[in-house]
Amino acid sequence: QKEVEQNSGPLSVPEGAIASLNCTYSDRGSQSFFWYRQYSGKSPELIMFIYSNGDKEDGRFTAQLNKASQYVSLLIRDSQPSDSATYLCAVNPPNDYKLSFGAGTTVTVRA
Amino acid sequence: SAVISQKPSRDICQRGTSLTIQCQVDSQVTMMFWYRQQPGQSLTLIATANQGSEATYESGFVIDKFPISRPNLTFSTLTVSNMSPEDSSIYLCSVWQADTEAFFGQGTRLTVV
Repeated sequence: QKEVEQNSGPLSVPEGAIASLNCTYSDRGSQSFFWYRQYSGKSPELIMFIYSNGDKEDGRFTAQLNKASQYVSLLIRDSQPSDSATYLCAVNPPNDYKLSFGAGTTVTVRA
Repeated sequence: SAVISQKPSRDICQRGTSLTIQCQVDSQVTMMFWYRQQPGQSLTLIATANQGSEATYESGFVIDKFPISRPNLTFSTLTVSNMSPEDSSIYLCSVWQADTEAFFGQGTRLTVV
């Protein structure tokens, strides 16, 4: 079983819609959860991080964490063509700063 | 956020040669890491760059192939030695800020021919 799994893409959504990205992790003790956006040919850019169960909102982005289900998601509201990118979920284990990454989900926002 | 500068941004190298990648951070950071992203793949951790001591390598990565230096809390280098086409990847350094957020440099795109 992979440490971090993301829903397979690509995900295509119309402009203005909500894009929903999912991520599950295997280490129940994982403590920090990150979402990165990576444009083609560029390095990953941190969008959000979340530590506690529940929702965390930042602008059009909402991260949701459910530790009991070992599940973290990212919602992108009012999707824009500029949101078209690969989104990477990353997790770090307790008392460690090493990140394990999912395979990524490619999102395409149709104008 | 921490400003991370990587050099070179890209390079094309002959097989059998070595390339040293530099990572400079604008502030002192405790934790610094090197990752690799092979074409079409996600990121894989190569090693933790430890200041003043030998790097800690992940399974599948060895010091002879990827020697790392970390002379101080703002700078590190990764060398890709005796390169083969399979080493063609993006190499990224990463730092943690305030123990809460992990940021990446712009990456070094390496092509081995």
